[in-house]
Amino acid sequence: DQQVKQNSPSLSVQEGRISILNCDYTNSMFDYFLWYKKYPAEGPTFLISISSIKDKNEDGRFTVFLNKSAKHLSLHIVPSQPGDSAVYFCASTFSGGSNYKLTFGKGTLLTVNP
Amino acid sequence: DAGITQSPRYKITETGRQVTLMCHQTWSHSYMFWYRQDLGHGLRLIYYSAAADITDKGEVPDGYVVSRSKTENFPLTLESATRSQTSVYFCASSLAGGRRNEQFFGPGTRLTVL
Repeated sequence: DQQVKQNSPSLSVQEGRISILNCDYTNSMFDYFLWYKKYPAEGPTFLISISSIKDKNEDGRFTVFLNKSAKHLSLHIVPSQPGDSAVYFCASTFSGGSNYKLTFGKGTLLTVNP
Repeated sequence: DAGITQSPRYKITETGRQVTLMCHQTWSHSYMFWYRQDLGHGLRLIYYSAAADITDKGEVPDGYVVSRSKTENFPLTLESATRSQTSVYFCASSLAGGRRNEQFFGPGTRLTVL
């Protein structure tokens, strides 16, 4: 029973264009969402997050949008650069929990072509 | 060195052998986590720890044992390795009360069980 779903295993875009990575969740208790980026042979690194009290959070080229009613979030990268090529994981949690656990999706491999 | 480290980075073992993967963090983070990453499954939580001497099971704990006698160390032991435990293992840590459950990951250990 997957609580966080990333239905696109891979995505390929041209340099300079927009990359949109999607994530769906099923657990209504989740109220905080994070995106991690992972390069080969490295551990995941935190990219951007959003609280359920917001519907958008922006950090430079990266913007995360949250649609609570649809239980859907998306990560937009504009403009995409070849260095953005990596696996992106969506993760969810609920801030009322005391164990700080994250539930991860399966990841989406983004390839940005020069 | 500051941060979170894992050792060994690569390990090949045989079915039935006991293997211990080490994780060390220098931030004095309260929470530590062990994940495995497999193709098609993303990151799955094996065990986590809220503090020294406090551990709990995650999503896929069978066949694994953890301990946390010191805050900075969180070893993961495969008591009798099986081929299905071939995977990449990531350790992570989190500061209780820090930016909403952000976890910091180590570089990973690639384990092959023959």
